[in-house]
Amino acid sequence: DQQVKQNSPSLSVQEGRISILNCDYTNSMFDYFLWYKKYPAEGPTFLISISSIKDKNEDGRFTVFLNKSAKHLSLHIVPSQPGDSAVYFCAASDYNQGGKLIFGQGTELSVKP
Amino acid sequence: DTGVSQDPRHKITKRGQNVTFRCDPISEHNRLYWYRQTLGQGPEFLTYFQNEAQLEKSRLLSDRFSAERPKGSFSTLEIQRTEQGDSAMYLCASSFLGTGSYEQYFGPGTRLTVT
Repeated sequence: DQQVKQNSPSLSVQEGRISILNCDYTNSMFDYFLWYKKYPAEGPTFLISISSIKDKNEDGRFTVFLNKSAKHLSLHIVPSQPGDSAVYFCAASDYNQGGKLIFGQGTELSVKP
Repeated sequence: DTGVSQDPRHKITKRGQNVTFRCDPISEHNRLYWYRQTLGQGPEFLTYFQNEAQLEKSRLLSDRFSAERPKGSFSTLEIQRTEQGDSAMYLCASSFLGTGSYEQYFGPGTRLTVT
């Protein structure tokens, strides 16, 4: 069963606009959520994270929102830049399960100049 | 560079051969994870170590797979009698237990192709 889902395989936005990437999860035991960015032939790069005790975390152009009741999180990128074009993965973790990450399938973001 | 490193970056092998991959984590990190990623999917957890102890193995890790972290530093992942279905990107990540955060930092991966 897919515990973490990213239902949009791709997203295209104009440079300077907001990019919103979505992620849903099913396991209520997850207590930490992370977003990673991945370029082809490279490993995932950590972007931003949020603990389940918070509903928002911001770092520069990146903001992650967590809605626990809906089991939904989103990543906002404002303003979007062409260099943001990559595949974005959300991941979730349960501390009692050793911190292993459960990943979604990824969303490919394309930011057009 | 003090990031996670993996060797080799690419490996092409014939079905039935054994292969071994190495991961060097960030030096102060006490947890090391192995994941596998296939095309169009997110990384899938395989196994993890806390220091030298292997604490969990995924059901994905068949008997042909073995991982070690002998001195709590670098780790190796060996696949015996490779099959075409083993073709994937093998990712290593490390983290530090104790900071209250769960961020894992990934290496560049080893791309395995079994012909």
